Amino acid sequence: IAGITQAPTSQILAAGRRMTLRCTQDMRHNAMYWYRQDLGLGLRLIHYSNTAGTTGKGEVPDGYSVSRANTDDFPLTLASAVPSQTSVYFCASSDWGFTGELFFGEGSRLTVL
Amino acid sequence: EDKVVQSPLSLVVHEGDTVTLNCSYEVTNFRSLLWYKQEKKAPTFLFMLTSSGIEKKSGRLSSILDKKELFSILNITATQTGDSAVYLCAGAHNAGNMLTFGGGTRLMVKP
Repeated sequence: IAGITQAPTSQILAAGRRMTLRCTQDMRHNAMYWYRQDLGLGLRLIHYSNTAGTTGKGEVPDGYSVSRANTDDFPLTLASAVPSQTSVYFCASSDWGFTGELFFGEGSRLTVL
Repeated sequence: EDKVVQSPLSLVVHEGDTVTLNCSYEVTNFRSLLWYKQEKKAPTFLFMLTSSGIEKKSGRLSSILDKKELFSILNITATQTGDSAVYLCAGAHNAGNMLTFGGGTRLMVKP
């Protein structure tokens, strides 16, 4: 694989269920991010991690949690999904020496009914 | 609260036209302004601008930043159907690598 891999590509989920979106990168980037994209609102940062073992809250963290056990993996968990979490979720990564370029995964489309 | 606003929301042009996309920003501890192109799925990086008045160019695309007036423009000359996409603008903070994105401009180029 090359770049960032997200899974699943799409998922329909009943409200109240737990869901984990997976993200794996093979570029050995230090920093990783989760964004959600909603029509007209652009990309909004949910959580980020500057390096393995650390995480931080972004603009819209409520209802989501992340972990960064190693450099490559950065899963996003919805503990109890709600319909307002219906969105397209993008995982991204960047080098520590920030060049401005975020590398994005292909996205995970999540529908919560 | 940091804010990035893009205009217009959407634009329809014909091949060969020139377009200008606008981005205004209010970002605490501003470091740089970035442009991304999003076609079907993942956004891809176009430009990063850190200094006022210095135009970045890549083929038919160019961009410039005005740090006094807090805005940036992205120009696309001689548009092609392959330029059809959502163009995203984002402000980067000095602390950390986080970006605040605007809502995007959807460009459609008709043959």
